[in-house]
Amino acid sequence: GENVEQHPSTLSVQEGDSAVIKCTYSDSASNYFPWYKQELGKRPQLIIDIRSNVGEKKDQRIAVTLNKTAKHFSLHITETQPEDSAVYFCAANAGGTSYGKLTFGQGTILTVHP
Amino acid sequence: GAVVSQHPSRVICKSGTSVKIECRSLDFQATTMFWYRQFPKQSLMLMATSNEGSKATYEQGVEKDKFLINHASLTLSTLTVTSAHPEDSSFYICSAPKSAGELFFGEGSRLTVL
Repeated sequence: GENVEQHPSTLSVQEGDSAVIKCTYSDSASNYFPWYKQELGKRPQLIIDIRSNVGEKKDQRIAVTLNKTAKHFSLHITETQPEDSAVYFCAANAGGTSYGKLTFGQGTILTVHP
Repeated sequence: GAVVSQHPSRVICKSGTSVKIECRSLDFQATTMFWYRQFPKQSLMLMATSNEGSKATYEQGVEKDKFLINHASLTLSTLTVTSAHPEDSSFYICSAPKSAGELFFGEGSRLTVL
């Protein structure tokens, strides 16, 4: 089955700096790669996603890049703000099946210091 | 937008009892729903795929007789943790895909088994 590795496990930045979180996946048939932000005790919130037919997607301060050949994808947050502090998860779908069946990375605790 | 609702949000039970968690899609029909479990400070792990009108598909290592899943209608899936024990204490989250590209998570249910 799919295996998703996420790094780093913790990331501490100063307000205004950029943050980058990286993930690798194992199933070459995976074609949907969402990123979620989760606050303590709450449901994951989709912040951005990318499909395998594009290499990059951007939404204001957030961008995601995908390298299908290397099977890795990254989340980039620019101009970080304290409210960006949360746990971030990458995920990949089970290739060839429903895009809703996701395998999650281990998570990254992002702390943005004012 | 589409909403997926879970109930209860929190439940405390005694060891040996059974607990039922409901997952409802409020404004769309979901023939498939997914159940995840999240232990403290860990990632979301897919437990099973709930299929309307047929048996659930369980991930490797998840006991189907312990975690009973029933998807009796197009808007409701239930997860019953049978004979719960303290090690079953966790955050259980469901998700439902509305259409290609839209996946919604429930609010989650925190189970504490005493």
